[in-house]
Amino acid sequence: GNSVTQMEGPVTLSEEAFLTINCTYTATGYPSLFWYVQYPGEGLQLLLKATKADDKGSNKGFEATYRKETTSFHLEKGSVQVSDSAVYFCALRNTGNQFYFGTGTSLTVIP
Amino acid sequence: GAGVSQSPSNKVTEKGKDVELRCDPISGHTALYWYRQRLGQGLEFLIYFQGNSAPDKSGLPSDRFSAERTGESVSTLTIQRTQQEDSAVYLCASSLGRTGDYGYTFGSGTRLTVV
Repeated sequence: GNSVTQMEGPVTLSEEAFLTINCTYTATGYPSLFWYVQYPGEGLQLLLKATKADDKGSNKGFEATYRKETTSFHLEKGSVQVSDSAVYFCALRNTGNQFYFGTGTSLTVIP
Repeated sequence: GAGVSQSPSNKVTEKGKDVELRCDPISGHTALYWYRQRLGQGLEFLIYFQGNSAPDKSGLPSDRFSAERTGESVSTLTIQRTQQEDSAVYLCASSLGRTGDYGYTFGSGTRLTVV
């Protein structure tokens, strides 16, 4: 079946630290992979996506590379800011209509 | 509207009562999803609407759950005879196209508490 596993939080970092949030997936075929972000009090927003192996999605300084060999889509940012504090969700979409989401990782960035 | 709007934002109901949750998608978005997020868990797919096609109801957990959408407008999710395990945040999302690769825009959700 299809599933997503992401690292448990919460994660607390100092401003300008390097961020990695791990995400691995299980799927048949060639799913599309996504990272969504939920800022406090807001709905989930698409952060970045990759639709095929070796693609790199990037947005707002965040990056994630679709690694089929390791079935991973880890989220990285070189220097986090306080404004990056949010909950981050890894997700996949395979054939069919639904997305499969991870449980979310809460990130807090302290000044 | 500018975003996906859900109402109410919070709902507390007594066990056994019926509740209706509303979602206003972004104008022109043909695809609409409902998801549920229980405390400490990931998002759980409930139902998908695409234009005037028959909805994909494969995620509805029981026959107490139903949803409607007229054309490409408002959707309502109805839970009959609510149970405590129905307590969750119910999220609605809409998208411009069928595949979802455009990305989904989510509403802020309705937090349902069954007491």
